[in-house]
Parts: sequence; structure tokens; C-alpha cells
Amino acid sequence: DAMVIQNPRYQVTQFGKPVTLSCSQTLNHNVMYWYQQKSSQAPKLLFHYYDKDFNNEADTPDNFQSRRPNTSFCFLDIRSPGLGDAAMYLCATSRDPGQSDGYTFGSGTRLTVV
Amino acid sequence: AQTVTQSQPEMSVQEAETVTLSCTYDTSENNYYLFWYKQPPSRQMILVIRQEAYKQQNATENRFSVNFQKAAKSFSLKISDSQLGDTAMYFCACYNTNAGKSTFGDGTTLTVKP
Repeated sequence: DAMVIQNPRYQVTQFGKPVTLSCSQTLNHNVMYWYQQKSSQAPKLLFHYYDKDFNNEADTPDNFQSRRPNTSFCFLDIRSPGLGDAAMYLCATSRDPGQSDGYTFGSGTRLTVV
Repeated sequence: AQTVTQSQPEMSVQEAETVTLSCTYDTSENNYYLFWYKQPPSRQMILVIRQEAYKQQNATENRFSVNFQKAAKSFSLKISDSQLGDTAMYFCACYNTNAGKSTFGDGTTLTVKP
């Protein structure tokens, strides 16, 4: 089945130690998104890619970076995680930004910072 | 800036009854889509229903229907014949076609009681 896969499902990292979260998709969707969701809050968009075109949100901290080496994969890099970065990180895809069928989400990666 | 407001943090309903979740939004865009997503406990977020803003007819998907009031910028979700599996957090989202991204509300936690 076509899907969005996030690895790992749970990630524990040390304060200040770089960490990378990954997302892959078999849907061949053009757009990939990274959202941060803290406990029982609205998902907050960090950035998104339309093909290779990177779009950063104005309030996304510099500590967060992203890479999309090809259509299928997208990575979220947190250069120096702080305690406030503990959250669920959701990857989502959509087919075409001009006519939205809605997002397909991965299962998320829950990040714990110790 | 685009905003989405869900004024009911928590709701409950008896199994087989009907419940309505509220959502209001604000956008300066003419071309947008509205969505309801469901996030069950510890599970993947999935799309429930989609509404194109330029269509007056309310969307329906089986037991799920919306009441879309464009002038009032209101987009409520009605769940008929509630089932235990409907227990989840429900997010309303507004997709901005020009920006190619969605803004989410804070969510409503729905509990279906047997």
C-alpha cells in the first residue's frame, strides 16, 4: 500500500546532541511537510518542500533544518535539541499544492530530550 | 495570517447519538479548502472530510457531514450514529492554495461513551 513512513517511531536524544528524523513516501507526492505537535496542541508547520523548492516558516528556529534529496525522502535535522523541542514530529504529503486532496500523514516520531 | 479556532477542547457523546464539532476560520484568500482530520490515541492522523470553499454544497462522507457557512467562516463537523471507534482528537484545518499549506486548529478531543 502507498504510504508515508516515519522512522524512528520514538527517538530519545541528549540535550544538545544533533538528531535526524526521517520520512519516506511511496505516493509520489510533490509536496512534503514537517509539522511539530506538542501535547494536545495544533500541529505547527516548520517547513515544506514543493519538489526541491524549500519553504521555511518565518518563526521556525534556525535549530531546525531539512533536506529532501529526492522525491521519496525528506529529513528533519535538529542541530542542538533543547528540552522545549520535545514533541511529536509529523511528516505529511500532498499531491499538488494547487488543488488539495488533503494530507497523508505518517505515524509521527515522538522525540524525547533528556 | 490565517487562523483556525476550535472552541470546544473536549466533548463527549453516547454511542449511536449525534455530535457536532465547531470550527471557525479566518483567511484573506479566495481559493482555499477546509478539512477535518481525526487523530486517534497514539495513532496516525487521517483525513475525515474535505470541503472546497467555492462549492456551496456541504460535503458528506458516510456518517460524517459538514455545515459550511462561508459568509460566517464557519465549518462544523457532524458525526451521526457515533461509534466507539470515533473516539479521537479532531482537527479542523484550512488549506491556503496560494501558499500550499494548511493551518490547524487546536483540536477537539471527542470521547464516545458506551
